[in-house]
Amino acid sequence: EAQVTQNPRYLITVTGKKLTVTCSQNMNHEYMSWYRQDPGLGLRQIYYSMNVEVTDKGDVPEGYKVSRKEKRNFPLILESPSPNQTSLYFCASSLSPGLRFRGGYTFGSGTRLTVV
Amino acid sequence: GENVEQHPSTLSVQEGDSAVIKCTYSDSASNYFPWYKQELGKGPQLIIDIRSNVGEKKDQRIAVTLNKTAKHFSLHITETQPEDSAVYFCAASSGSGGGADGLTFGKGTHLIIQP
Repeated sequence: EAQVTQNPRYLITVTGKKLTVTCSQNMNHEYMSWYRQDPGLGLRQIYYSMNVEVTDKGDVPEGYKVSRKEKRNFPLILESPSPNQTSLYFCASSLSPGLRFRGGYTFGSGTRLTVV
Repeated sequence: GENVEQHPSTLSVQEGDSAVIKCTYSDSASNYFPWYKQELGKGPQLIIDIRSNVGEKKDQRIAVTLNKTAKHFSLHITETQPEDSAVYFCAASSGSGGGADGLTFGKGTHLIIQP
């Protein structure tokens, strides 16, 4: 089944403790992206990646890192989480940049992160 | 960059009635406009999309219209059913392949279908 898999689904952590949210897709998509979803603010892009070893900042990148060492994986790293990073996070993937929006994004099921 | 406004934030309709959600965008270069449906506890799923060379597109009970001159597009759901209850997001993108070239989303509309 074609899908984007995120782990974990739920995570409660303490301020300053480094964490990684994993994202993996099995569709051979070149484009991957991370979004956070907050009440009243909709979906905001954190980082995106056009291809392996190519990443760039979205609208709200502060406090986050990403890497794209393999085509299928795009982990989101919070080096020193803070309470304002409490949110619902979604990973998404799509076809190659030139064909990126044929069929749109495929989203993962989300990771609900709470930082206390 | 692109800015997408979506209205209303909440929409309650009687089962069987129609629902309309409207979005406006700011970047005249945008040429791709998808709509996503997010059910409780799940990620958004693409339900319909439209490109700037098309004015209207239908898929069963769902239709999307686009007015490029006015820079707005709308989602129309007819004969609403309980399973249509969800949060709906519109989005826009230029799809040019450069810069922060992702989808810019509206803030979402919570559609409630009253039995």
